[in-house]
Formats: sequence, structure tokens, C-alpha cells
Amino acid sequence: DAKTTQPNSMESNEEEPVHLPCNHSTISGTDYIHWYRQLPSQGPEYVIHGLTSNVNNRMASLAIAEDRKSSTLILHRATLRDAAVYYCILRDYGRDSNYQLIWGAGTKLIIKP
Amino acid sequence: GAGVSQSPRYKVAKRGQDVALRCDPISGHVSLFWYQQALGQGPEFLTYFQNEAQLDKSGLPSDRFFAERPEGSVSTLKIQRTQQEDSAVYLCASSYQAGGPGETQYFGPGTRLLVL
Repeated sequence: DAKTTQPNSMESNEEEPVHLPCNHSTISGTDYIHWYRQLPSQGPEYVIHGLTSNVNNRMASLAIAEDRKSSTLILHRATLRDAAVYYCILRDYGRDSNYQLIWGAGTKLIIKP
Repeated sequence: GAGVSQSPRYKVAKRGQDVALRCDPISGHVSLFWYQQALGQGPEFLTYFQNEAQLDKSGLPSDRFFAERPEGSVSTLKIQRTQQEDSAVYLCASSYQAGGPGETQYFGPGTRLLVL
């Protein structure tokens, strides 16, 4: 399975944009890039996903490098409620067991007031 | 609407006891997943149901772990003869279907199990 590499932690100031990087140099052509986040003492929640093109939704934006070997989750204006562990996950839709989410350790995002 | 619920939220067991963890998925969701999350780690896949059929149990760590979903809705994860290494948060997730690029898994709050 293709793996992802994320920084262990990042800090940002409240009300400023946050860029969370993810490296996935062994990504395959059928891998989609998914992001989930986990707030303290809660279950994970879906944030966004994409394949090749940049994606936007109400929570965040996903910028995918042209060679797809890296991506960046962008929170446009972080609030204290965005403090969480953010996971970058590859889902290979070419596999029968693509329903399995394979998680790394994620990036712990700390928001300073 | 109601999300995924799990009970109990916390469970303390003595080593050797059996425990049962319950998951109520979102109504109408076909797929149900169990994950185990150790402290400071990402979740690890345990097992997957499509309706009442357990299609994948490759992640169950030993034969002490057993999961069922007899009527295709509520699921129970049972751990027999608990060991200290079973201490973790057990997460349940459901999705409308199983595959597809846009398929989102919706997670419950988890059950934190502590084995003494």
C-alpha cells in the first residue's frame, strides 16, 4: 500500500491560513487522496478528497501537486475549533479492498489564540 | 440527523474478562467498519460488514476478537479473555456503500477500553 508522510505537529495562529503538507511519493494512478481529521476525544471526520485537480469544499481546500507526489490541505482561516490531528490517506480504487482506510500517525495541528 | 453512536463510551475490564462493544450505524448505511486506535496512533482496520455479511476480518488481531451484525444494522464487537494489550479506543464507522471515490466513512465517538 502506498504510504504517506506528514509532519508530526504544526502550530498556527488563530484566524490565519494553515497549510498542512503530505508526501506520497509512491502514489499509484488509482490512488485518491483523502483527508480526515480527529478532534480531541472524538471519532475521525471526513474533510476532503481528490484525485488530480485541486478541490474546494466548505471545510477546506486540497491542492495536489502536478506529479501527485504531494498534496496540501489548506484551512483558509483557522479557528480554535480546528485544533485536531489531520490524517492524509490514500485510497486505491483499483483494489477490491479499497474500503480500508490505512492511517498514518497524522499531523497534530495546534492553534494559538 | 443522528450520527453513529457507540456504547459504552468507557469500559474498564479486568484481565481475562469478556467485553462487548456496541455500534449503532447511521440508518440505511450498508457498510460498517471497526477500527482499533492505540494511544497516539492512527486507527487500524479490524473488520468490515456489508449488511449482515462480514466480508473482511483480516484486521482482527486474534481469535479472541469476534464481530457480528446479525440484522444488518447494529453491530457488536466482542473481545474474549481481555489482555492488557487490548487497551485502546475502538471506533465504529458506517458508510452508505463501501466503495467509490466519494464514499465517506462516518465515525462514532469510540469506546475507550482499559484492561487492568
